[in-house]
Order: sequence, then C-alpha cells, then structure tokens
Amino acid sequence: SQKIEQNSEALNIQEGKTATLTCNYTNYSPAYLQWYRQDPGRGPVFLLLIRENEKEKRKERLKVTFDTTLKQSLFHITASQPADSATYLCALRGSTLGRLYFGRGTQLTVWP
Amino acid sequence: GAVVSQHPSRVICKSGTSVKIECRSLDFQATTMFWYRQFPKKSLMLMATSNEGSKATYEQGVEKDKFLINHASLTLSTLTVTSAHPEDSSFYICSASSGDGGETQYFGPGTRLLVL
Repeated sequence: SQKIEQNSEALNIQEGKTATLTCNYTNYSPAYLQWYRQDPGRGPVFLLLIRENEKEKRKERLKVTFDTTLKQSLFHITASQPADSATYLCALRGSTLGRLYFGRGTQLTVWP
Repeated sequence: GAVVSQHPSRVICKSGTSVKIECRSLDFQATTMFWYRQFPKKSLMLMATSNEGSKATYEQGVEKDKFLINHASLTLSTLTVTSAHPEDSSFYICSASSGDGGETQYFGPGTRLLVL
C-alpha cells in the first residue's frame, strides 16, 4: 500500500529563514502532488498543486519541487514569518477524480 | 478560489442521537465529495467518497449504516452519524472536487462533534 512520509513531525525556524519541508512516498506513482496548510481546529487550505510532468511550481513565497525518480517533493517557504506557523500536509493523488492520500503533516513554528 | 462550507461548525449531542453535517460547494459544482475524519495530531482519514446521484463508496472499516452519506445535488452532501456514541466524537471534514478537469480538492472548515 502507499506510504507517505513527511520528514519530521515538527520544524522550528527563525523568522526570515527559509523553511524546507520534505515529503517522500513509496509504492505509488501519483499524477498530482498537493500541499495544504492546516491550522488547529480548521480544515486544510489548498496551497499548491504540482503534476508528475512538472519539476517546480511557485506561488509568491512558496515553492514546490517534485522528483518522481526520488519519489520526493520539497516544499519551501522563503522569508518565513510567524504567521506561517501551521501544520503542512502533503497529499498525493493518482488521477483527477481519485482520492487523496495524506502524509501526517509537519508542524512548522516560525519564531520571531 | 473555490469555497466549501460546512454546517454546523461544532455540535454537542447526547449518546444515541443522530447528527447531520452538511457540506456545500458555494461557487462551483462538485461532482465528487469526500468525507474525512481527523483525530488530534493525526492526519486525515478518508471515510467515504460520494458522487452526485449515486451511492457513496466507503473505505474499509467504515460502517455505512453508521455514517450515512447523501449527495443529492451538485452542491450539497450530507453526513449523518446515526445513534452517535462517545467514540464517534471527532473532527469531521468534507472536501469537494469539481471533476471537470478540476484537479484540486477544496476542504470545508470542519465540524467538531462531541458525543456525551
């Protein structure tokens, strides 16, 4: 069965630094990989989607890479701010209408 | 971006009662909706997938008679927790996908259920 691992349960960094979160997967060949942000007591909020034939995607301070050979995605937040503190979820999807498979998330804390 | 709403945001009920949770796509038509459950500090667990006008597909281990799902229109899906018990207390989240090349699932804000 699919296995999705996010590098660490928690990541603490100083404001202004770049946060890098890792998502590794096995036993799966996703067509899409998505990153979500989840705040306590709230539903996940969509951030970025990257397709299997794309290497990199950017949106403002966010950057996602997708390496299907390594079976890995990296999620970067540049110039991080305390407001970026949240849990970030990696999710894989095999097809347009298919279900999402989620990692357990990485809790990011950005301290001033 | 696409907006998905859920109602109620939180509910407290007595053991043995049934609770209905609504999920609506506000600005797009959702051919497929998903229902998740999330325990504290855990990831989302998919309970079922529902397609408009057809029966929901439940994940292994999810009781279909316990968690009734109805997707009667392209903008509304409901989850009814029947004869709720304290172990059903959890955070329930729905998501919706437009299906017409819509590759992204958009999530509702979640419903916190507490069964006393």
